[in-house]
Amino acid sequence: DIHMTQPPSSLSTSVGDRVTITCRASQSISNFLNWYQQKPGKAPELLIYAASSLQSGVPSRFRGSGSGTDFTLTISSLQPEDSATYFCQQTFSTPWTFGQGTKVEI
Amino acid sequence: QVQLQESGPGLVKPSETLSLTCTVSGGSISSYYWSWIRQPVGKGLEWVGRVYSSGATSYNPSLQSRVTMSVDTSKNQFSLKLSSVTAADTAIYYCVRGSSVPGKAYYFDSWGQGTLVTVSS
Repeated sequence: DIHMTQPPSSLSTSVGDRVTITCRASQSISNFLNWYQQKPGKAPELLIYAASSLQSGVPSRFRGSGSGTDFTLTISSLQPEDSATYFCQQTFSTPWTFGQGTKVEI
Repeated sequence: QVQLQESGPGLVKPSETLSLTCTVSGGSISSYYWSWIRQPVGKGLEWVGRVYSSGATSYNPSLQSRVTMSVDTSKNQFSLKLSSVTAADTAIYYCVRGSSVPGKAYYFDSWGQGTLVTVSS
C-alpha cells in the first residue's frame, strides 16, 4: 500500500494568513493526488484533484501543487470558514489511501 | 446535482453482517465508479472498495475477504455487505461517487452525508 503522510496533524493560524499544508507519498504517485476538506459532523468535500486542478465551485484561494512524492495545498488568505481538517488522497494505485489529516484551527 | 443517501441499520451485532445501501438521485448511476469510505469517529478515512456501474468490483485487500459490493442500475442504488464484523468496524460509512479523467485523475466528487454504524452486542 502507498502510505500518505501529512505533517503536522494540526496547526493554528489567523484570518488572512497564508497557510501551507504538506502531503508526502511513500512512493511516486505522479499527480494522482486529491485534497479534501472536512468540517466537523460533515462529509469531506473535494477541493483539488490531479494535484493542481481546482474543483468547480471551490474558491480560488485554494491552490494545489506538486508531483511525484511531495505535494502542497496552499490557502492564500485564510477565511473563518476554512477552519477544518484537510486530507490528501492518492489514487495512483489501489488500495486508494488517505493521509491522516491536518486540522487547521483559527 | 447528484445526491447520495446511505441507509441501513445503525447497530450490528459482532460476527454478523453489516449491510448498507446508497441511493443516488439527481443523476444516473451508469458510467461511474461508486465507492464506500469509512471513518472511525474522530479518526482518518479508509477506502473500503468500489463498484462500477457494470458490476465490476475492487476491494481494499485489508477487507477483501469480508466485503461484497453490488449495483442495481434499475433502482439507481449500490450496496455494501461486510461480514463477520467486530468493534473495529464501528465507523461512519460514506457512499461516494468517483469521477475520472482517463489516465490522469480519479477523484471522489460527491459524498453522502454518512451513516454511523456501531458494532455492539
